Amino acid sequence: AQSVAQPEDQVNVAEGNPLTVKCTYSVSGNPYLFWYVQYPNRGLQFLLKYITGDNLVKGSYGFEAEFNKSQTSFHLKKPSALVSDSALYFCAVRDDYTGGFKTIFGAGTRLFVKA
Amino acid sequence: NAGVTQTPKFQVLKTGQSMTLQCAQDMNHNSMYWYRQDPGMGLRLIYYSASEGTTDKGEVPNGYNVSRLNKREFSLRLESAAPSQTSVYFCASSEVKGAGHGYTFGSGTRLTVV
Repeated sequence: AQSVAQPEDQVNVAEGNPLTVKCTYSVSGNPYLFWYVQYPNRGLQFLLKYITGDNLVKGSYGFEAEFNKSQTSFHLKKPSALVSDSALYFCAVRDDYTGGFKTIFGAGTRLFVKA
Repeated sequence: NAGVTQTPKFQVLKTGQSMTLQCAQDMNHNSMYWYRQDPGMGLRLIYYSASEGTTDKGEVPNGYNVSRLNKREFSLRLESAAPSQTSVYFCASSEVKGAGHGYTFGSGTRLTVV
């Protein structure tokens, strides 16, 4: 079965510093991987996805993610954190079934960016 | 604005009461999903519908039923609410054609069962 793990419940960074939110995955077949962000009292918003091709994927709000097949990781990164990046971040993997797909989410990592 | 609309946004139920959470999308997506979000557990899939007329159980279906009323609407029913069903419920939709499509989520329903 497809699964993702987010080893950190919380990540703290100072504004202007680079940030990394970690994710590892376990899949059978080719991985389709996603990052979503959730701001307080809101639904999840799609940030970026990896399907195939370049290992560095660029997404919304200046975020990018690095796919590493040998380490089965898909870490979310941003070169310079903003206070407004503070939110809950979810890594996810697509799980195909006949006729469609469903998405399996990690437990989430809360990011705090201090001014 | 185009997207996924959930109603109600908040609800308090007494144990044993029933209710239906409504979800509608206007993006002509084929697939729709219901998740619950609990602290430290991420999002867990309750039920999903690949297309109009089909529904399947997800990871945590017990205590819930769903109806895919038409392509736009996918409702979630709690027949006899229990305190363990206190959670935030999210509806989502997606297109399945092509590879690697993400979800569009509604803003959620915060349900408390007392």
